[in-house]
Amino acid sequence: QVQLQESGPGLVKPSQTLSLTCTVSGGSISSGDYYWSWIRQPPGKGLEWIGYIYYSGSTYYNPSLKSRVTISVDTSKNQFSLKLSSVTAADTAVYYCARFYDSSGYTTHWGQGTLVTVSS
Amino acid sequence: QSALTQPASVSGSPGQSITISCTGTSSDVGGYNYVSWYQQHPGKAPKLMIYEVSNRPSGVSNRFSGSKSGNTASLTISGLQAEDEADYYCSSYTSSSTFNWVFGGGTKLTVL
Repeated sequence: QVQLQESGPGLVKPSQTLSLTCTVSGGSISSGDYYWSWIRQPPGKGLEWIGYIYYSGSTYYNPSLKSRVTISVDTSKNQFSLKLSSVTAADTAVYYCARFYDSSGYTTHWGQGTLVTVSS
Repeated sequence: QSALTQPASVSGSPGQSITISCTGTSSDVGGYNYVSWYQQHPGKAPKLMIYEVSNRPSGVSNRFSGSKSGNTASLTISGLQAEDEADYYCSSYTSSSTFNWVFGGGTKLTVL
């Protein structure tokens, strides 16, 4: 059974870069059938796409965040990562990593989520 | 990128059936059969309940069903149970953006 686990700092200062890593277990990130995604949820609000990546490195970003987002993959470690630069309080959210079936657009497995607070 | 439109809240009594709507346009919900639904309990990650409009993943109760008519997709929960109380989100493919996926705003289901 595939499992995903987010890791990274829970507190980031304004204007700095938020960095998170998602470790995939129980399956290979290079399997080729799926994409690997980041989705966030501000407190009390709905889900928002950040973007997703294929094991080959192809990336797809939400235009509203594209100028600040970088998603990368490390197949040797079975991990993928998120960097969000120039953060503000509006970037405070629970960040989820998830396995995404791009062909039909559904997310089959999610990490537990990690709360990242942007505050000085 | 506009979110799909869902009612903010719906409610029902145990045993009843409820329907949650997800309204989009011909560029998303109406144009493609790539609508999915997620259930999210407080403090938990979302869980896939329906994919490709009406397909249920293995392990999801058959009390959950999905459908689509025109630009509106629907999630119906029959035989409502207390454990169904949660937030529900729809998602769809969209051709109106360079990023091809969009979520609905979410619906809070209360079991009375």
